[in-house]
Amino acid sequence: AQKITQTQPGMFVQEKEAVTLDCTYDTSDPSYGLFWYKQPSSGEMIFLIYQGSYDQQNATEGRYSLNFQKARKSANLVISASQLGDSAMYFCAMRELTQGGSEKLVFGKGTKLTVNP
Amino acid sequence: DAGITQSPRHKVTETGTPVTLRCHQTENHRYMYWYRQDPGHGLRLIHYSYGVKDTDKGEVSDGYSVSRSKTEDFLLTLESATSSQTSVYFCAISNDRGQNYGYTFGSGTRLTVV
Repeated sequence: AQKITQTQPGMFVQEKEAVTLDCTYDTSDPSYGLFWYKQPSSGEMIFLIYQGSYDQQNATEGRYSLNFQKARKSANLVISASQLGDSAMYFCAMRELTQGGSEKLVFGKGTKLTVNP
Repeated sequence: DAGITQSPRHKVTETGTPVTLRCHQTENHRYMYWYRQDPGHGLRLIHYSYGVKDTDKGEVSDGYSVSRSKTEDFLLTLESATSSQTSVYFCAISNDRGQNYGYTFGSGTRLTVV
C-alpha cells in the first residue's frame, strides 16, 4: 500500500497567488517526520520544510507553510505569493523507522507545479 | 563544498555490463541512501546504510548491491545492467533520527543502459 499519496499530478497557479499541494500519509509509527522537497528542472532536490509528528504548531519557512492535520493524516504544503521560480516538481516524503531500528525516507510520486505570469 | 558528491554524473553503458556508482560524503553522517527516480514513480529507495558495513534493502533492490566499507563512501553496483535500470540515481545522507533539517541529496547520476 502506498504510504505517501500525492493526488495532484499537476497544478497551475497564477503568479502572486497562493497554492496548496496535497499530501496524505499512512503510518502506524507514533513518531514520524514529514518533509517537502522541491525539484526544479535542473534536477537537484531542495529541502523546503519539515513537520514532526509531535510538533504542536504547523511548520513555516518563509513563503512555505505546512498545513498539518494529524487526525486526517494530511500534510499539505502551502506556498504563498507564488513566483515564477516556484515552477518545479514537489515531493512529499515521510521518515519512518525500519524493523531494524534505523530510518528511511519514503516519497510520494510528486506534483508538478507551474506558475503562470 | 557540497558535502555530498556523486560520480559519475552521467554514464552510458551496455546491457549486461556491471556498473558502479559512487556516493561520497564529507559530513560524517550515519545514514546513506540510494534512490532511483523514474517518471510517474517519484523517488524509490534501492538500498540504504546505517553504518559501516551495515546495509539493508529498500523497495526496489533486485539487481542492485551496495557496499559501505568506510563512513564517507556508499557504492551502488548494478551487477548486470538492464534497460529497465535506465534512470536517475540519487544518493542521500542524514544524521540521527530526530533531526529536522532534512536529508541532503547529491546532484544525481543519469544512467542510460543501451
